[in-house]
Amino acid sequence: SQKIEQNSEALNIQEGKTATLTCNYTNYSPAYLQWYRQDPGRGPVFLLLIRENEKEKRKERLKVTFDTTLKQSLFHITASQPADSATYLCALHPGGYNKLIFGAGTRLAVHP
Amino acid sequence: EPEVTQTPSHQVTQMGQEVILRCVPISNHLYFYWYRQILGQKVEFLVSFYNNEISEKSEIFDDQFSVERPDGSNFTLKIRSTKLEDSAMYFCASRETGGLGEAFFGQGTRLTVV
Repeated sequence: SQKIEQNSEALNIQEGKTATLTCNYTNYSPAYLQWYRQDPGRGPVFLLLIRENEKEKRKERLKVTFDTTLKQSLFHITASQPADSATYLCALHPGGYNKLIFGAGTRLAVHP
Repeated sequence: EPEVTQTPSHQVTQMGQEVILRCVPISNHLYFYWYRQILGQKVEFLVSFYNNEISEKSEIFDDQFSVERPDGSNFTLKIRSTKLEDSAMYFCASRETGGLGEAFFGQGTRLTVV
């Protein structure tokens, strides 16, 4: 069956460290993958998109990698800040359709 | 900055009643969506809408659900006879294009069915 899996446990890190979140998928062949941030009680907010032919994408303190062989994307936040505390969602388009399929998200807590 | 607007922010309704959730997508966007998120669970796709018709719908989107774009700016989700299990956050989203590109989500309507 098709699955998108993200670390279900919360990730707790110290301010200033790099947070690394994982997204694994099975039985999908997405042309691209997206990452969103979701704060409690709010809608998802787009962060980054990476295409299947891109190994890595950066935006300010954010970096995303996409390995279509491993079927995995990694999302990094460098020099993390308490304001980065949120749930981060991985989402993909299941081949040819424009809907988004979301992972369950990983909650990140950055402690001062 | 343009944004997707949803009303109401919170709706409480009795089981069996009809509800209409309203959304104003970003004005130059062409693709519109409804997603829902049951408390503590993942965001789930309900329906996509393009060129005044449904382009795709999920198994959740049964005959009790309908969508409409009545006037070129609003996009509505109607649930005809609500059930307890319809309690969730409902998010409207829009995209400028159907291919590559980000989705812009509204802040959601929290629907509570009692």
